[in-house]
Amino acid sequence: EPEVTQTPSHQVTQMGQEVILRCVPISNHLYFYWYRQILGQKVEFLVSFYNNEISEKSEIFDDQFSVERPDGSNFTLKIRSTKLEDSAMYFCADSPSQAGAFFGQGTRLTVV
Amino acid sequence: EDQVTQSPEALRLQEGESSSLNCSYTVSGLRGLFWYRQDPGKGPEFLFTLYSAGEEKEKERLKATLTKKESFLHITAPKPEDSATYLCAVQARGGSNYKLTFGKGTLLTVNP
Repeated sequence: EPEVTQTPSHQVTQMGQEVILRCVPISNHLYFYWYRQILGQKVEFLVSFYNNEISEKSEIFDDQFSVERPDGSNFTLKIRSTKLEDSAMYFCADSPSQAGAFFGQGTRLTVV
Repeated sequence: EDQVTQSPEALRLQEGESSSLNCSYTVSGLRGLFWYRQDPGKGPEFLFTLYSAGEEKEKERLKATLTKKESFLHITAPKPEDSATYLCAVQARGGSNYKLTFGKGTLLTVNP
């Protein structure tokens, strides 16, 4: 069964460094998302991406964050100048239609 | 602002002891309500989508129902492998907004 694949599974980075989280969505899915989950808290929406552009972003998704589909298949989330409070699980998700989403297994980002 | 409240926060059952989880929601026009299962350190795993009041979906020991204000996830004769956090999420109708708004989840523990 097709699934969303995320790499790396765990990333440790120093505060102030840039990180790139990578995702390979399910083939033929059109809608892409990034969510995050701080330990013990809700899953929170960050950004949605459709037709090669951002369709919506949350207030969390500030200038520190950016998303790209660099080669038409992979989908990346870049966090510039990481902060301690960026430590969380980051989930990539996608959907073939407007309804719902299928999630990857996540990247655990630890900022030290 | 869309809101999702799940109760109880935690539920401990004996194997075979049926129960229900609640998800109450406030949304400006419901496109869909989604149930996910999340195991520790993993991404949410899609279970059900419900679109309109009165709709029901079943999968093995799980049955999801929907009213205009809430959804229930009924677990019949649970087994220890059903232990997980169950997440409810809503998607609002309209525009290009396809984000999911999640509740905090119900942590279900099924003892053998």
